[in-house]
Amino acid sequence: GESVGLHLPTLSVQEGDNSIINCAYSNSASDYFIWYKQESGKGPQFIIDIRSNMDKRQGQRVTVLLNKTVKHLSLQIAATQPGDSAVYFCAENAWRDDKIIFGKGTRLHILP
Amino acid sequence: KAGVTQTPRYLIKTRGQQVTLSCSPISGHRSVSWYQQTPGQGLQFLFEYFSETQRNKGNFPGRFSGRQFSNSRSEMNVSTLELGDSALYLCASSVGQGSYEQYFGPGTRLTVT
Repeated sequence: GESVGLHLPTLSVQEGDNSIINCAYSNSASDYFIWYKQESGKGPQFIIDIRSNMDKRQGQRVTVLLNKTVKHLSLQIAATQPGDSAVYFCAENAWRDDKIIFGKGTRLHILP
Repeated sequence: KAGVTQTPRYLIKTRGQQVTLSCSPISGHRSVSWYQQTPGQGLQFLFEYFSETQRNKGNFPGRFSGRQFSNSRSEMNVSTLELGDSALYLCASSVGQGSYEQYFGPGTRLTVT
């Protein structure tokens, strides 16, 4: 089975609040992690990535946190907007394996 | 710059038939990867091509095959279709070997009846 999994399949957040999407991974050899966003009818869209030598990386309104001790990855979206409604996937890669393994995905609902 | 394009967008086939899907990467991108997306299994890696060579392959049967042309365009073929092959097939391109900032196309929705 896949080594990347997600804690919650669906997350509902009030517009304007911050969203936190979590992901667990089991392969300690994974050294590269990516978050993707997939809107209905579209392919996944790259959001942000992080390498295992980092704990945190920030982008525009998004922050990815990596905790290697507990093999946990999270995506924080600040001031969630209606356009953030989508399914979010975490993915991992181990340089030896050289394949990207995707998690099952979390659907983010934005409440008005 | 145009994004990744996939053709056709929708396809209906019957069991036992074969199908060929096409992917045109972003101009200048030399690596193309294929994924199968289903509600039950999520996104699963099929294979990756770089400079017309298959670099990596996922855990799919030999009925699934692909190739890449000198202009980086790629095709994947599924022979002897089964009902379980119904899925969204996604193609992603990246600049080069070892680059994981992938750009996905909209996918081809394959329905096998």
